[in-house]
Amino acid sequence: DVKVTQSSRYLVKRTGEKVFLECVQDMDHENMFWYRQDPGLGLRLIYFSYDVKMKEKGDIPEGYSVSREKKERFSLILESASTNQTSMYLCASSPGHSYNEQFFGPGTRLTVL
Amino acid sequence: AQKITQTQPGMFVQEKEAVTLDCTYDTSDQSYGLFWYKQPSSGEMIFLIYQGSYDEQNATEGRYSLNFQKARKSANLVISASQLGDSAMYFCAMRFWYNNNDMRFGAGTRLTVKP
Repeated sequence: DVKVTQSSRYLVKRTGEKVFLECVQDMDHENMFWYRQDPGLGLRLIYFSYDVKMKEKGDIPEGYSVSREKKERFSLILESASTNQTSMYLCASSPGHSYNEQFFGPGTRLTVL
Repeated sequence: AQKITQTQPGMFVQEKEAVTLDCTYDTSDQSYGLFWYKQPSSGEMIFLIYQGSYDEQNATEGRYSLNFQKARKSANLVISASQLGDSAMYFCAMRFWYNNNDMRFGAGTRLTVKP
């Protein structure tokens, strides 16, 4: 069965901390995505990756970076967490160039104090 | 600019009745895919239904159907015979062939099914 996992369901961090959100998929998908979800704004794309070591900025990359050293793992990094990064973070994956749906992880609710 | 609009922040429907959730989109591209996802309170995003821009027939998946009107750029989701378990957030999304498959989401509609 298709599966995307995220390292934490809930996370509380302090302002200025470096935060790592990990995402792993077991479907051998080429594409992986990081979104943040805020009420009234839907899902907004932060970064995506279409291959190992490849990354593309989404709509709101400021304050974030990503890493994809292995095909199955896509990490989102908050270099210096701020309170306005308190949000739900969703990871997704999909097969290569096609219209296939994206498969989502359960989400990480991050609170920055 | 590519944009997805869901104009209904919240909707109520009586159990066993049908409900339509609106979605309009704005694009000049000819090749794209339209998706609907359901997000229960637990947070996971569940794929419901897909419509390709060149598909001539409206997509159906069980109680879900997609009312695709290409000229009007609308892709409304119809849920027939609503159940209490249908209460959730629903997101419309669009995906483009040209841009490494990035997907754009609407703001969502919260559906509440009343017993």
